[in-house]
Amino acid sequence: DSGVTQTPKHLITATGQRVTLRCSPRSGDLSVYWYQQSLDQGLQFLIQYYNGEERAKGNILERFSAQQFPDLHSELNLSSLELGDSALYFCASSLQGASYEQYFGPGTRLTVT
Amino acid sequence: QQPVQSPQAVILREGEDAVINCSSSKALYSVHWYRQKHGEAPVFLMILLKGGEQKGHEKISASFNEKKQQSSLYLTASQLSYSGTYFCGTVPVRDDKIIFGKGTRLHILP
Repeated sequence: DSGVTQTPKHLITATGQRVTLRCSPRSGDLSVYWYQQSLDQGLQFLIQYYNGEERAKGNILERFSAQQFPDLHSELNLSSLELGDSALYFCASSLQGASYEQYFGPGTRLTVT
Repeated sequence: QQPVQSPQAVILREGEDAVINCSSSKALYSVHWYRQKHGEAPVFLMILLKGGEQKGHEKISASFNEKKQQSSLYLTASQLSYSGTYFCGTVPVRDDKIIFGKGTRLHILP
């Protein structure tokens, strides 16, 4: 158990809908990262937050947004969903910035039908 | 920008050694290595910081050549539990963003 929690574990929704994925980091970690992993694909970095502020952005679509709250939990919002958004979404946390080890949550599997 | 990993896949027999390479076109501050088993989340193995250090973790070790922007992961006397996909992640100098390679699939046969 990494100490990072993600909810829900599975999500099935239709095209055009909007969903919210939730992540709670390890106790004491200030950074939260979001990744997308499609079938047999690598980890695509989406976005990083550090202590409530956006720190770095990767290949995140405009339809996607995220935020980190004062209690350090984070939410990833995906809107106008398309079939291609079906993937495993991981949240990870680290003590500080990107050069610290990251601890990954169990992931949320999103299926868009 | 995405680091290049080689080989893409390796099949070994238990007890054999393997080397996985990771190469970047950017000057690097750090290199991360993670292992992901099928259906599970990636698990941290080690970080190598600028300075060319070598690190070890049981029978798994790694090196980082900052001049060549390359890192290698060494798995010696491989065990069945080493099977999985290995990802390197690179953090460029003056950047706080990690980018992962496409991964190397390692399959250990008994």
